[in-house]
Amino acid sequence: QVQLRESGPRLVKPSETLSLTCSISDSSISNYYWSWIRQPPGKGLEYIGYISYSGSANYSPSLKSRVTISLDTSKNQFSLRLSSVTAADTAVYYCAGRGQFFQYWGQGTLVTVSS
Amino acid sequence: DIVMTQSPDSLAVSLGERATINCKSSQSVLYTSNNKNYLAWYQQKPGQPPKLLIYWTSTREYGVPDRFSGSGSGTDFTLTISSLQAEDVAVYYCQQYYNSPWTFGQGTKVEIK
Repeated sequence: QVQLRESGPRLVKPSETLSLTCSISDSSISNYYWSWIRQPPGKGLEYIGYISYSGSANYSPSLKSRVTISLDTSKNQFSLRLSSVTAADTAVYYCAGRGQFFQYWGQGTLVTVSS
Repeated sequence: DIVMTQSPDSLAVSLGERATINCKSSQSVLYTSNNKNYLAWYQQKPGQPPKLLIYWTSTREYGVPDRFSGSGSGTDFTLTISSLQAEDVAVYYCQQYYNSPWTFGQGTKVEIK
């Protein structure tokens, strides 16, 4: 069973960059597409973007100017960077895997944007 | 972006009764070349990540009980729980993966009456 685990700072200051890493266990990063999805407290799910095993990335247009998703195949990890954050970026951030739909999910990590 | 609209926002159903959740997309998610609807359903319990229930409109993920079923085509879809169990209390989301950005419905909260 594929396991995903998010890691990174839980508190980020406004205007700074949010950085998270997802570690993949029991699967090669080459097997699937890998995504980031977020959920503001008490709200619904928002797709952020994905990266394929070849390194090709796709981002939600609403976040595209601020988002970078990258792969580290040597560590079996992928990462999210979201720049110029505001309070509106406060959310639980999930990493997920498979393809255009999401079969595998991490437990999620709450990232709060606050000074 | 394709907008996904679920109805109702919440529903309360008695144990053992049927629960029906609707999902409507702002444009068709049917890919005519393979006759597949690019629609998935997820279940999210409090404090947990979403869990994939159904993909390709009606294919149950491995291990999902057969009381969960999906149907529909084009722009209108339904998730049915044939006999509601206590462990089915959750928020349910539909998601289209026909066009990027993939988008989710706003969620439907299912409770016990």
